[in-house]
Amino acid sequence: NAGVTQTPKFQVLKTGQSMTLQCAQDMNHNSMYWYRQDPGMGLRLIYYSASEGTTDKGEVPNGYNVSRLNKREFSLRLESAAPSQTSVYFCASSEVGPEQFFGPGTRLTVL
Amino acid sequence: RKEVEQDPGPFNVPEGATVAFNCTYSNSASQSFFWYRQDCRKEPKLLMSVYSSGNEDGRFTAQLNRASQYISLLIRDSKLSDSATYLCVVTAYGGATNKLIFGTGTLLAVQP
Repeated sequence: NAGVTQTPKFQVLKTGQSMTLQCAQDMNHNSMYWYRQDPGMGLRLIYYSASEGTTDKGEVPNGYNVSRLNKREFSLRLESAAPSQTSVYFCASSEVGPEQFFGPGTRLTVL
Repeated sequence: RKEVEQDPGPFNVPEGATVAFNCTYSNSASQSFFWYRQDCRKEPKLLMSVYSSGNEDGRFTAQLNRASQYISLLIRDSKLSDSATYLCVVTAYGGATNKLIFGTGTLLAVQP
């Protein structure tokens, strides 16, 4: 099992460009999450999906959209990237209990 | 006030030392508590859950004090491989799933 996979691993964007971060899990988990991690801020929840077909805002959703494509895949889209969105993005999944399993992360720089 | 607060460190300790990390949380309704470990430039991974009765996993002991809203992690006989950032995590209930609230982490550097 690959667990949680994310693509790309690294990305550099110019201000105003758009991109989609991809996430997939092969553990048959119902819930999936997107976080960003910034120095001194810890991990902050952007959006989550409790089950296929549902999505909800987390703590910092502004500037992002998500799609739960199916049970396996949960994508995060930046429509018009801003330097404030420079961060490391982690996708995670979980089943019934609260333990979450994280992907390796995407390092995004917005110039 | 942050929902989960930790001393960011760094804690620089020699191999073999015992080191303790503390964490406080603000939401008295939180039900589940964890320590996650994050290696440099890697993803967080669950280290252990924390129970009111305390729990031990090898060299690691976690304690929870609900009255004081305080969580601790004790590492005995530190190894070089223990060098990492340790994240204190509590659950926040809302909506249809369990959300986790992460502390900013405590950096541990074990020196040879």
